[in-house]
Amino acid sequence: AQKITQTQPGMFVQEKEAVTLDCTYDTSDPSYGLFWYKQPSSGEMIFLIYQGSYDQQNATEGRYSLNFQKARKSANLVISASQLGDSAMYFCAMRGRSGSARQLTFGSGTQLTVLP
Amino acid sequence: GAGVSQSPSNKVTEKGKDVELRCDPISGHTALYWYRQSLGQGLEFLIYFQGNSAPDKSGLPSDRFSAERTGGSVSTLTIQRTQQEDSAVYLCASSLTTGDFQPQHFGDGTRLSIL
Repeated sequence: AQKITQTQPGMFVQEKEAVTLDCTYDTSDPSYGLFWYKQPSSGEMIFLIYQGSYDQQNATEGRYSLNFQKARKSANLVISASQLGDSAMYFCAMRGRSGSARQLTFGSGTQLTVLP
Repeated sequence: GAGVSQSPSNKVTEKGKDVELRCDPISGHTALYWYRQSLGQGLEFLIYFQGNSAPDKSGLPSDRFSAERTGGSVSTLTIQRTQQEDSAVYLCASSLTTGDFQPQHFGDGTRLSIL
């Protein structure tokens, strides 16, 4: 079974500052992928960034980077230079390779508010 | 359009009625997923289709829920004899394949309200 834990129900950050959203995971699958999605108040689910379990380097995508610590089973999202448009719900998710692990398992989300 | 398309965007119906939700995946995507998001909750997996393989129905909450995918493209999620607890946003996603870690791309969802 897979499990994603996001312990921060809500976070606040000042505009232009960096923020880290926490995500820890648990899985018995030796090969897996970790994903972050953004869900604005309008409801659409937007893919942000992906990290494979065997990737040697942390993933980066523009202002988003993933701080992947495999031994600690954590995959924190770092948003640099926050913008007002970053205010949204952020979900961490994972997929394995085998059987029921192939669907995405989501965490409960972190509501990020960027303050002007 | 280039993205996942879902219809209707909103559906209000009376308890006990059947509803059909439609998903048109991104062209060329062989994998299609249905999820449900209840108010204030994360996403709950319902079912996925991969090419011509038998679908994984392990997430369907009851036998009132069913889904089909015709011609490897458009999918329909059907809920029979709707109950108030079925009220949620139903999200469809597609990806190039399930064989590796292709990201899933989501539609805007169907907001279902059962009166």
